[in-house]
Amino acid sequence: AQKVTQAQTEISVVEKEDVTLDCVYETRDTTYYLFWYKQPPSGELVFLIRRNSFDEQNEISGRYSWNFQKSTSSFNFTITASQVVDSAVYFCALSEAIGAAGNKLTFGGGTRVLVKP
Amino acid sequence: DGGITQSPKYLFRKEGQNVTLSCEQNLNHDAMYWYRQDPGQGLRLIYYSQIVNDFQKGDIAEGYSVSREKKESFPLTVTSAQKNPTAFYLCASSPGQKNQPQHFGDGTRLSIL
Repeated sequence: AQKVTQAQTEISVVEKEDVTLDCVYETRDTTYYLFWYKQPPSGELVFLIRRNSFDEQNEISGRYSWNFQKSTSSFNFTITASQVVDSAVYFCALSEAIGAAGNKLTFGGGTRVLVKP
Repeated sequence: DGGITQSPKYLFRKEGQNVTLSCEQNLNHDAMYWYRQDPGQGLRLIYYSQIVNDFQKGDIAEGYSVSREKKESFPLTVTSAQKNPTAFYLCASSPGQKNQPQHFGDGTRLSIL
């Protein structure tokens, strides 16, 4: 069975500090996809990034960066120079193919990020 | 604008009552999903549907039912058999390709009266 673990339940930082969110996953699939979603207080989940298992190139997009290491089954996410608007719950998810269309996501428990002014 | 619409935003259920949560998408996505989120926890899959008139149970399907009569609609019924229905329910959809992200609605918060 697939499993995603986000060991940090809550992180509190002061604005402009960097924040790194950890994600460790377990899967027997050789091809899989990993996602990060953001859930602001309003409740909807916002897609941030997707990574496939055969592309370990790390990426930076604005203040966000991701570190995918297949050898340690980790897919960590960093917010640089955090802002109050970054306050949200962040979820890591692992994708499993389910047949004709779509995918099945296994979510981690989420990490609540609180950015104080 | 394209997106996923869930209604109502808040819903209250009486003991022994069935209630139905609506989910509509105009993204022309093939697959649709229902998730349950309990406070401080991640999302758990209730049901999913890959094509019209077909759906499969997720990890926590007991006490729930769904239908998929139209591509754009995937309503969820919380039956009286679900003894602990209080939660935040999220609907999602995704294109047919397996590597595509799921897009989520704004959610429905269900409470017991």
